[in-house]
Amino acid sequence: ELKVEQNPLFLSMQEGKNYTIYCNYSTTSDRLYWYRQDPGKSLESLFVLLSNGAVKQEGRLMASLDTKARLSTLHITAAVHDLSATYFCAVDGDNYGQNFVFGPGTRLSVLP
Amino acid sequence: DADVTQTPRNRITKTGKRIMLECSQTKGHDRMYWYRQDPGLGLRLIYYSFDVKDINKGEISDGYSVSRQAQAKFSLSLESAIPNQTALYFCATSDLGQSTGELFFGEGSRLTVL
Repeated sequence: ELKVEQNPLFLSMQEGKNYTIYCNYSTTSDRLYWYRQDPGKSLESLFVLLSNGAVKQEGRLMASLDTKARLSTLHITAAVHDLSATYFCAVDGDNYGQNFVFGPGTRLSVLP
Repeated sequence: DADVTQTPRNRITKTGKRIMLECSQTKGHDRMYWYRQDPGLGLRLIYYSFDVKDINKGEISDGYSVSRQAQAKFSLSLESAIPNQTALYFCATSDLGQSTGELFFGEGSRLTVL
């Protein structure tokens, strides 16, 4: 059974600081996704990582994938308040969409 | 207009009532999913469908049923709602022909069972 874990589950950080969110998963997969959710809202796709060593960057966020370690990271650079949200990683366990499993989410609060 | 539309957006009902949540999409995607979100548990898959004649159970299908009326429509039913089905429900779509396999979500349906 595919399990997806995130660390930390809650993160409070000050503006301007850097931090990394970790996503570990339990089976081999080449497909990993990061989503953002604002309170009471839908999930917005941030990054799609489809191979070992993939790195994607958008603004202050950078995501990477190490399929051998079964690990993805979401790095936040010089955080700003607008980044406050819950971030989910999700893994397509069979690379075919039949076993798409989400992590529990990391709730990020960026304080002034 | 949203590409993936869920109705109703909010619903309060009583234990034992039958409830249907509807999802329609204009993205032309063949795959549709229903997820449930509870605080601290992420999203859990209820059912998914890869085409009109294909229905598959997910991790937590007990107490739920679905209908794929057309490529663009996928409904979730609670035959006899119970309080622990109180949650935020999301419909999602993806495209078999799309190389990324990315899911696209509706805006969610918040269900409260009293």
